[in-house]
Amino acid sequence: GENVEQHPSTLSVQEGDSAVIKCTYSDSASNYFPWYKQELGKGPQLIIDIRSNVGEKKDQRIAVTLNKTAKHFSLHITETQPEDSAVYFCAASILVTGGGNKLTFGTGTQLKVEL
Amino acid sequence: GAVVSQHPSRVICKSGTSVKIECRSLDFQATTMFWYRQFPKQSLMLMATSNEGSKATYEQGVEKDKFLINHASLTLSTLTVTSAHPEDSSFYICSARQVSSGNEQFFGPGTRLTVL
Repeated sequence: GENVEQHPSTLSVQEGDSAVIKCTYSDSASNYFPWYKQELGKGPQLIIDIRSNVGEKKDQRIAVTLNKTAKHFSLHITETQPEDSAVYFCAASILVTGGGNKLTFGTGTQLKVEL
Repeated sequence: GAVVSQHPSRVICKSGTSVKIECRSLDFQATTMFWYRQFPKQSLMLMATSNEGSKATYEQGVEKDKFLINHASLTLSTLTVTSAHPEDSSFYICSARQVSSGNEQFFGPGTRLTVL
């Protein structure tokens, strides 16, 4: 089955700096890679996703890059703000029409943005 | 965006009792719902995949007789933890998949279960 590794497990940055979180996956058939933000005591919220036919996607301060050959993808947050502090999870999935499309999650990164 | 609710948000029960957790898609029809379990400072682990009108598919190592899942309608799935024990204490999160949205999963806010 799919295995997703995520690094680092914790990340502290100064407000205004950039943060980068990296993930690798094992199943070359995976074609959907979402990123989730989870605040304490809450469910994960999708912040950005990318499909395997695209190498990069950006949404304001957040961007995701995908390298299919190397089987890794990264989350980039620029101009970090204190409210960006949370746990971030990457995930991988094989999207199949009508299929179960199970997500395999990474181990999470605790991001702390310090003033 | 699509909204998924869970009820209750927190529950404390005595060992040996059963607890039911509801997951509802509020503004869309969910053909598939997923149930996850998350221990403190750990990742989400998929427990089962639930399709409306059919039996749930459980992940390896998850006891189907202990974690009963019912997906009776396109907007409601329930997870019942039977004969709960302290080791079942965890954060249970559901998600719902809206096919029309491109297979994105929308997550509920989670239910904190504490078994005394």
